[in-house]
Amino acid sequence: DIQMTQSPSTLSASVGDRVTITCRASQSVGDWLAWYQQKPGKAPKLLIYKASSLESGVSSRFSGSGSGTEFTLTINSLQPDDFATYYCQQYNSYTFFFGQGTKLEIK
Amino acid sequence: QITLKESGPTLVKPTQTLTLTCTFSGFSLSTSGMCVSWIRQPPGKALEWLALIYWDDDKHYSPSLKSRLTISRDTSKNQVVLTMTNMDPVDTGTYYCAHRVAVSAGGTGGMDVWGQGTTVTVSS
Repeated sequence: DIQMTQSPSTLSASVGDRVTITCRASQSVGDWLAWYQQKPGKAPKLLIYKASSLESGVSSRFSGSGSGTEFTLTINSLQPDDFATYYCQQYNSYTFFFGQGTKLEIK
Repeated sequence: QITLKESGPTLVKPTQTLTLTCTFSGFSLSTSGMCVSWIRQPPGKALEWLALIYWDDDKHYSPSLKSRLTISRDTSKNQVVLTMTNMDPVDTGTYYCAHRVAVSAGGTGGMDVWGQGTTVTVSS
């Protein structure tokens, strides 16, 4: 099974900051990786697919990069609405495992 | 516009079987590339992928839960059903269904539309 590990687990930042979240796969997933944002009590929202493609309607302040086993989600110019939990998910294999999540908190 | 909505019991007893239904609109699960997945989230914890069914009735399960899960579809009713046997308190959480278009059919591969989730508590 492909395991996904995110770091850090918690990230404190301020409005206007640029932050980066890392996701590592236990084996290569090519570029078949997605990023989701989840706010408390809400369903996750797809932000990025195929490692770096922005989902329609998502702010261009979000960007993704990487391939193989290491990926990053970058958020530029943090806005108050961006404080949430972020998950990566691989879909290279038929087990669509998520990372354990990164909670982005206001500093 | 694609929508999905989960339904099922809010409370089940340990050892019972849970049956959840995902009722969707805006697409047909008979159309090439369409998929529906189930994901759950224990309170305060991470998302956990459970199962996925493809337009051609191909099915895939989380290896750790495979023996307890069954996913099925009723294309005439636009529904996907998930059953989970031998429920335990650790299975308590919010259960989501989500839409996906397979990469092989030109989709993004991501889970692009989610239901609101349904909360299940396992307790005697």
